Order: sequence, then C-alpha cells, then structure tokens
Amino acid sequence: GDSVTQMEGPVTLSEEAFLTINCTYTATGYPSLFWYVQYPGEGLQLLLKATKADDKGSNKGFEATYRKETTSFHLEKGSVQVSDSAVYFCALSDRNGGSQGNLIFGKGTKLSVKP
Amino acid sequence: DGGITQSPKYLFRKEGQNVTLSCEQNLNHDAMYWYRQDPGQGLRLIYYSQIVNDFQKGDIAEGYSVSREKKESFPLTVTSAQKNPTAFYLCASSIAGQLNTEAFFGQGTRLTVV
Repeated sequence: GDSVTQMEGPVTLSEEAFLTINCTYTATGYPSLFWYVQYPGEGLQLLLKATKADDKGSNKGFEATYRKETTSFHLEKGSVQVSDSAVYFCALSDRNGGSQGNLIFGKGTKLSVKP
Repeated sequence: DGGITQSPKYLFRKEGQNVTLSCEQNLNHDAMYWYRQDPGQGLRLIYYSQIVNDFQKGDIAEGYSVSREKKESFPLTVTSAQKNPTAFYLCASSIAGQLNTEAFFGQGTRLTVV
C-alpha cells in the first residue's frame, strides 16, 4: 500500500541555519503531497502542499517540490528561527477505493532550533 | 470562526472504564477522521467517516468505536478492550473524496489511564 518515509529526528540546528527534512513516498498513481507542522501540545496545521509533479509548495519561508522521478517531497528553509521548533509531518493523500482523500503520514521529524 | 473542536483537552481514565472523546466541526465537511499519536509512531488512523451514518475502520480500530449521527459530530469511544489507550488523540475533517484538499485538525485530547 501507499506509504511515506521521512528522515529520523530529532534535528537540532542553530538559528539562521539551512533546513532540509527528507521525505519519500510510495504510491499508486500521483497522490497529492503535504507537509504539516505540529507545535507542542497542539494539533497539526497544514504548512504547504503540492498536487502534481513539479509543483512547488511554499509558505512562511518553507518550500517543497513534488519530484515524481525520485518520489520525493523534501522540505527546505533557508534560514530557520527558534519559532520553527516543532514536529514536521510529510503526508500523502490516499487514492485507494472508498478511502480517497485519507492522509497517510510519515512518523514525523522533530526540529529544535537553538538561539 | 470555522474550525474543529476537541474536548476535553486532558482526560484521565481508570482501567476497565469506557471514555468518549468529543469532536465537533462547523466547516461543513463531510469527512471526519480519528488518529492516534504515540511518540515515534507518527499518526495512525483509527476510524474515518465520509458521510453521515457511515464509517470505516482504519489501521488500528480494535478497542475503539465511533458514531456519526450528525455531520458536525464524530465522537470516539475508547473501550476497556483497548489494551494500551494512553495516547494523544487527534480528530480531523476534510472535504470528502477530494485528493488535493487539506485536512483540518483539532487541538487534540491527551488520554491517560490511571
């Protein structure tokens, strides 16, 4: 079945460092891809999404490009801030039968940014 | 403001008791979901519902039950059959059957068995 694999954490960076969180997926056809962020003690919020190959999603300085040839959707940010400390989840939308639209999540990557 | 509300935020349960977690949305979404989150496990789907009066088991439905009597509400009952219920529970909703739409999440309920 469909699945998402993202890099293990935790990731610790200094403020203004460059961030990459790797995400690869396995899916039948062409799913939509998402990055969600979870701040401590809260639910998940959509960070960005891409719905077809070569699309680039972007928000709050974060970017990710839907790469069909490498089945990847890596999250990047050029200069992280302390306020970016959170857990980041890569996800895809499930195209199988009656569960269309269900999201399949990676295990999450915890990011800590130090001042 | 439109959104999705979970209550309570913290819940304590004695072993052998059933407890019900509330989830309400005013986004007019047809689809609703329950996920369980454990450290290092990511999110795992418990149950989902694409339409009122219908719901489907997810990957880890054993020990849980749901109902969908109203479009706005999708309560989750954690039964005494659930062997390890201590976890963070997240409810979400989305437009049904659309692959490029985002899911909106509640703030979560942290359940602890004491």
